[in-house]
Amino acid sequence: SQQGEEDPQALSIQEGENATMNCSYKTSINNLQWYRQNSGRGLVHLILIRSNEREKHSGRLRVTLDTSKKSSSLLITASRAADTASYFCATAAGAGYSTLTFGKGTMLLVSP
Amino acid sequence: SQTIHQWPATLVQPVGSPLSLECTVEGTSNPNLYWYRQAAGRGLQLLFYSVGIGQISSEVPQNLSASRPQDRQFILSSKKLLLSDSGFYLCAWSVGTGSNEKLFFGSGTQLSVL
Repeated sequence: SQQGEEDPQALSIQEGENATMNCSYKTSINNLQWYRQNSGRGLVHLILIRSNEREKHSGRLRVTLDTSKKSSSLLITASRAADTASYFCATAAGAGYSTLTFGKGTMLLVSP
Repeated sequence: SQTIHQWPATLVQPVGSPLSLECTVEGTSNPNLYWYRQAAGRGLQLLFYSVGIGQISSEVPQNLSASRPQDRQFILSSKKLLLSDSGFYLCAWSVGTGSNEKLFFGSGTQLSVL
């Protein structure tokens, strides 16, 4: 079964608004990652947060991790139409040659 | 810089026909390589991963197989395709280990089995 579950499944906002997506997982993790996928394309790595980190920033992206609640959130500030994509969280449970487990994703639509 | 090539971009195959999808990575040596499948509206399912030439680990028993004949080449195959093999197939490679491991994906192959 899949480890990460994103919420909501779909999100529709206007340009300039902030978008928040959540991810919950079930077991202990080594790190949690967020990826973006444009329709019909491969996934692009956005940000990685380790289990001992609580918050991380990258440009307009802000990721938080709460290991006590087994949850993470991805905030995109001042969204743009180009941010329209599906966003996936992925969890890595082990060290070494770990294999990521992906959620089903949140589909974000940003309207001009 | 590293790049990953995956082809073809789209493929329509009849049931019972063979399959061969190829993926190559440039600009790095001894990468970890992965094949994922994504069904419509769903997350990614890990099919196979490889940590070296000839070393293949299967995550889900199914109609597919994988091979790694060269360090930077990963091939996904089937002898006889099923309808349920339809989906979006993604090759990926990783850099780093443990807590730093990130995946870099190819552009994907949309496979339709009819």
